[in-house]
Amino acid sequence: GAGVSQSPSNKVTEKGKDVELRCDPISGHTALYWYRQSLGQGLEFLIYFQGNSAPDKSGLPSDRFSAERTGGSVSTLTIQRTQQEDSAVYLCASSTTTMNTEAFFGQGTRLTVV
Amino acid sequence: GENVEQHPSTLSVQEGDSAVIKCTYSDSASNYFPWYKQELGKRPQLIIDIRSNVGEKKDQRIAVTLNKTAKHFSLHITETQPEDSAVYFCAARGTASKLTFGTGTRLQVTL
Repeated sequence: GAGVSQSPSNKVTEKGKDVELRCDPISGHTALYWYRQSLGQGLEFLIYFQGNSAPDKSGLPSDRFSAERTGGSVSTLTIQRTQQEDSAVYLCASSTTTMNTEAFFGQGTRLTVV
Repeated sequence: GENVEQHPSTLSVQEGDSAVIKCTYSDSASNYFPWYKQELGKRPQLIIDIRSNVGEKKDQRIAVTLNKTAKHFSLHITETQPEDSAVYFCAARGTASKLTFGTGTRLQVTL
C-alpha cells in the first residue's frame, strides 16, 4: 500500500476481553515499531521489530501485552484481559533497513476499554 | 538504552515570533535525529531530520541544529504562523536502531 495501514481505526471493548490490533507496514520496510499514546501524552515505546532479529520488547508494560510479526510484514499487537488504563491510541510505524531514514506512522487504533 | 529529554513541554509564542525546542540524548552513538509534528487527532509526521555528520540543516522557516559533543539538538521555527500550532516530538536513533522519542512540546501560536 501507499502508507502504513492500521486496523481497526477504533475499538471499544469490555474490561477483561482480549483485543488484537493490526499493522500493515509499507512494502519493503523491515523495521516496525509500536507506540502507545494516551490522551495529550507522548509516544510510549512498546516493541520494535527489525528484520529477522529478535524483537526489542523492552517497552511492553506487562505480560498482558504481546506482539508478533509474521513473514516480516504484517504485525499484530495483542492485549489480553484489557484494563481501563489500556485505553489509548496505539500507533504503528515502519522504516527501511537503512538506519538514517524516516519512520512513517499509521493513523493509529483508538482503543477504549469500558 | 537511549534516553531523550525534551523541553519545554508547552510553549506559547505570538505570531511572527520564533520558537525553539530543545532535546538532549544519552547514547553517544546515536546518529539520526528526526523531528515530528502532530496536529490534533492526526498521526505524527516528519518535518525535518538531521544526521550526525552535519551540524545544521534548514528548510524554509524550520531549522535543526545538532551538538554532538554536548549531545543535544534543537528545532527552530521562525516567523511562526497559527498553522504551526501542534505537538512537536524530537527523536534519536541509537545503536540498537530503535527510535526513541522525547515527551513532546505543545506549541501554541497566538494572534
